Amino acid sequence: GAVVSQHPSWVICKSGTSVKIECRSLDFQATTMFWYRQFPKQSLMLMATSNEGSKATYEQGVEKDKFLINHASLTLSTLTVTSAHPEDSSFYICSARVGAGVIVEQFFGPGTRLTVL
Amino acid sequence: GESVGLHLPTLSVQEGDNSIINCAYSNSASDYFIWYKQESGKGPQFIIDIRSNMDKRQGQRVTVLLNKTVKHLSLQIAATQPGDSAVYFCAENIAGTYKYIFGTGTRLKVLA
Repeated sequence: GAVVSQHPSWVICKSGTSVKIECRSLDFQATTMFWYRQFPKQSLMLMATSNEGSKATYEQGVEKDKFLINHASLTLSTLTVTSAHPEDSSFYICSARVGAGVIVEQFFGPGTRLTVL
Repeated sequence: GESVGLHLPTLSVQEGDNSIINCAYSNSASDYFIWYKQESGKGPQFIIDIRSNMDKRQGQRVTVLLNKTVKHLSLQIAATQPGDSAVYFCAENIAGTYKYIFGTGTRLKVLA
């Protein structure tokens, strides 16, 4: 149980184009999903918290107009990198919070490798 | 041994030996801690967790120790195997939020 998938697993795009990454909870409903970015040999950095049916909450320094997050259902959140540039190349990982109330456990997806040429 | 430089700190251990990976967490208000294993090109994989009302928790071949006085977390892996080679991250959850803060990570290399 508690499986999270991401699609695509990797993507290569040209500079200036937009890329959408999907995060799905396969066997549970996730009211909250999180998006992380990880550069090579570095740790995971939280970008934003995605809540179903409401606007995402972005961490300090993350441009909300560049990284558009939509959480339209309890099993799907999408991250769109708009006008991507080479410096946006990174490993993007989502996670989903299981349960409600005081439950804080998160389950992580397999990640999406974005390469911007 | 352990080395720190421009790259991730690396811990090299002989196969069959025990490994101890350390983590200093940042916030005294954190009440839940997790260790993750990450293999190259993959997402983090849950290993073990511990809540702040405990100081030790054991799993299969793994033990997590929590010292709240000095804000220190450790992961002990018994009889380290080649398949344990990966990067290990600690994460903390600050009480009252649902966000995780990840530590810098340690690369574990198991020598045959």
